[in-house]
Amino acid sequence: QKEVEQNSGPLSVPEGAIASLNCTYSDRGSQSFFWYRQYSGKSPELIMFIYSNGDKEDGRFTAQLNKASQYVSLLIRDSQPSDSATYLCAVVSYSSASKIIFGSGTRLSIRP
Amino acid sequence: DTEVTQTPKHLVMGMTNKKSLKCEQHMGHRAMYWYKQKAKKPPELMFVYSYEKLSINESVPSRFSPECPNSSLLNLHLHALQPEDSALYLCASSQDLPGRTGAYEQYFGPGTRLTVT
Repeated sequence: QKEVEQNSGPLSVPEGAIASLNCTYSDRGSQSFFWYRQYSGKSPELIMFIYSNGDKEDGRFTAQLNKASQYVSLLIRDSQPSDSATYLCAVVSYSSASKIIFGSGTRLSIRP
Repeated sequence: DTEVTQTPKHLVMGMTNKKSLKCEQHMGHRAMYWYKQKAKKPPELMFVYSYEKLSINESVPSRFSPECPNSSLLNLHLHALQPEDSALYLCASSQDLPGRTGAYEQYFGPGTRLTVT
């Protein structure tokens, strides 16, 4: 089992709709969770981080964390074509302190 | 300001060349990282520096040699690389190392696209 799992996609969402990206992790002791957006040929850009159970909102983005079920999700409201990118989930694992473990990423495509 | 800069943006080198990648941050971050990323794969950790000391080496071949001259600078010296080392090399920094009771967000530079011929 991979430490951090994401559906590779592509996930196709119509413009203006809500895009929902999911991530599961294996280490129950994980404490810190990040979402990065990466455009093709560019470096990852940190868009959200969440440390506590529940929801965290920033503009059109909402991160949701459920430690009991070991999943973290990212919701993008009012999706725009510019949101088309690969989204990387990253986790600081209890057993791998000092390292961030990345999922393989979900490719999101927003269709006009 | 969350800017990490990297130079050069692109680098083409032969297998017998010696070159260096440079990374700089002025956010007062005390942890700096080198990652390697191949196409359609997530970043792969290579090295971690904490307070200018090497903290993690992910069993990287010795043809890659990191250096941290001061708290703002991180170099990656390259020698006798192989074509399979061609990739995007990413530098990142964070306020401190991720810990077991919390973590500090990592910010990436734009990367150096390396091609080994």
